[in-house]
Amino acid sequence: DTAVSQTPKYLVTQMGNDKSIKCEQNLGHDTMYWYKQDSKKFLKIMFSYNNKELIINETVPNRFSPKSPDKAHLNLHINSLELGDSAVYFCASSQAAGNTEAFFGQGTRLTVV
Amino acid sequence: AQTVTQSQPEMSVQEAETVTLSCTYDTSESDYYLFWYKQPPSRQMILVIRQEAYKQQNATENRFSVNFQKAAKSFSLKISDSQLGDAAMYFCAYNGGATNKLIFGTGTLLAVQP
Repeated sequence: DTAVSQTPKYLVTQMGNDKSIKCEQNLGHDTMYWYKQDSKKFLKIMFSYNNKELIINETVPNRFSPKSPDKAHLNLHINSLELGDSAVYFCASSQAAGNTEAFFGQGTRLTVV
Repeated sequence: AQTVTQSQPEMSVQEAETVTLSCTYDTSESDYYLFWYKQPPSRQMILVIRQEAYKQQNATENRFSVNFQKAAKSFSLKISDSQLGDAAMYFCAYNGGATNKLIFGTGTLLAVQP
C-alpha cells in the first residue's frame, strides 16, 4: 500500500524526446508537488497543485508541464528533453496547503543521453 | 526570502555514539514548521521529525530529537545510539507563511562507523 507512488523509477531517453512521469497518492491529500533533485543532491520545488489547481510554478522552463486530472494524481510531462534535465524527480503530497510535512514518492531518476 | 543552511556537508559517528547535525534558517514569519528528512541510498525521502514553531518543547522521536532555538533560528538534530541504518543524507527543511512548499538545506551526509 504505497502512499505516494510514481512511475517509472528509472527513465533513460535521448535528447529531444518527450517523456512523462506519473504520480498517484492514496492518502486523500489535497496538495501535490513536484520536486527536482540535482546531481549535487539539492532539492527544489518545481510545481505545487491544490485540489487540481496550480498554485506554485517556480520558474521552470515551459517544456515542463504538470497535469492534475484529479487531486490524487499529478503527472509531469517534459518536452524536448535536454541533457541538463537529467536529475531525480520526486512527487510528494501533503494534507493541506502550507505548514505541513510532505510525503514523498520513491523518485524517478531521469537520464538524458 | 526564506533560506535554510546546513553547514556540515559530511559528518561521521561511531556506532552507538551520539551525533548532532546543524541547521539554521532565515525567515520573517512567526508561524512555520521545520523538518528533518532522511534520504538513504535507496533514494526514498523519509520524514524523521517535525517541529512546530509555536511549540517551545523540542520534538523527539525515539532516538531522534531536535534542539529548536527560535530566536537564534537554529534547528539541530541529535541522533542518539547511532545505528548503521542511520547512515544517509539528512536534509533540514522549512515550510512557513504564505508559501506552500518545503525549502531544503543542502544536506549533511552522515556516515556511521562500526
